[in-house]
Amino acid sequence: DSGVTQTPKHLITATGQRVTLRCSPRSGDLSVYWYQQSLDQGLQFLIQYYNGEERAKGNILERFSAQQFPDLHSELNLSSLELGDSALYFCASSGGTGLNSPLHFGNGTRLTVT
Amino acid sequence: GNSVTQMEGPVTLSEEAFLTINCTYTATGYPSLFWYVQYPGEGLQLLLKATKADDKGSNKGFEATYRKETTSFHLEKGSVQVSDSAVYFCALSASHNYGQNFVFGPGTRLSVLP
Repeated sequence: DSGVTQTPKHLITATGQRVTLRCSPRSGDLSVYWYQQSLDQGLQFLIQYYNGEERAKGNILERFSAQQFPDLHSELNLSSLELGDSALYFCASSGGTGLNSPLHFGNGTRLTVT
Repeated sequence: GNSVTQMEGPVTLSEEAFLTINCTYTATGYPSLFWYVQYPGEGLQLLLKATKADDKGSNKGFEATYRKETTSFHLEKGSVQVSDSAVYFCALSASHNYGQNFVFGPGTRLSVLP
C-alpha cells in the first residue's frame, strides 16, 4: 500500500460531460503530481502542486484543471470530455524537495468516456 | 532537457531466464535514478533507486547500478519468475526551477512464460 488514495476507481461518463478525480497524498507529503496513461502508452505528466501552489505543467489540455487544497488533497477536473480522454489517471505524491525522494503512486482512476 | 530512453518491448522470457532491461538517460546535473514496476490493473510501485554514481539499488532479486560514465541504469535479474510479468519504467529525478522534476521512460513490458 503506497498510502496514496485515489477515488473513484472507475468512472464511466458520456462525451461532453465533466468529472472530478480526487487524490489524497501520503501523510506528510507536500507534492502531488498527476499523470495520464492511455492504453499501451507511457505516462504523460499533467501537472504538479507543492503545498497548494502549482509548480510545473506538462501536457495538460486547457479543458483540464487541477488544484491542491489546504489539507493537501488534490482534485483533477476534466471537462468537455472526448472519447480520447479515456485513460488511467494516476496521482502520485512525494515527501521532500530533494532529488532522492521517490514518487509514490495511487492505484489510479480508470475513466471511460462513451 | 532531461530524458529517459528504455529498450523497446515487449520482452518475452522463459521462467528462470536472465533479465536485462536497458535504460539510458540525459540530464543536467546529478539526477537520482529509479525503477518502477506496474502490475496489471495497479499503479506504479517503486522497485529500487540509486542516488549517486556507482550506487547499486536492489530489491526482490532485481538490481541496477548507476553508471555516470555511460549515463545508464540497466535493470537486471538473475532468474525471472512468472510473477515478474509486468511493465517496468525507468525514471530520473532532477532539479529544476521549482524543485523536483521526474522524467519517466516509455516502459518495457515483460512477459515470463512458465
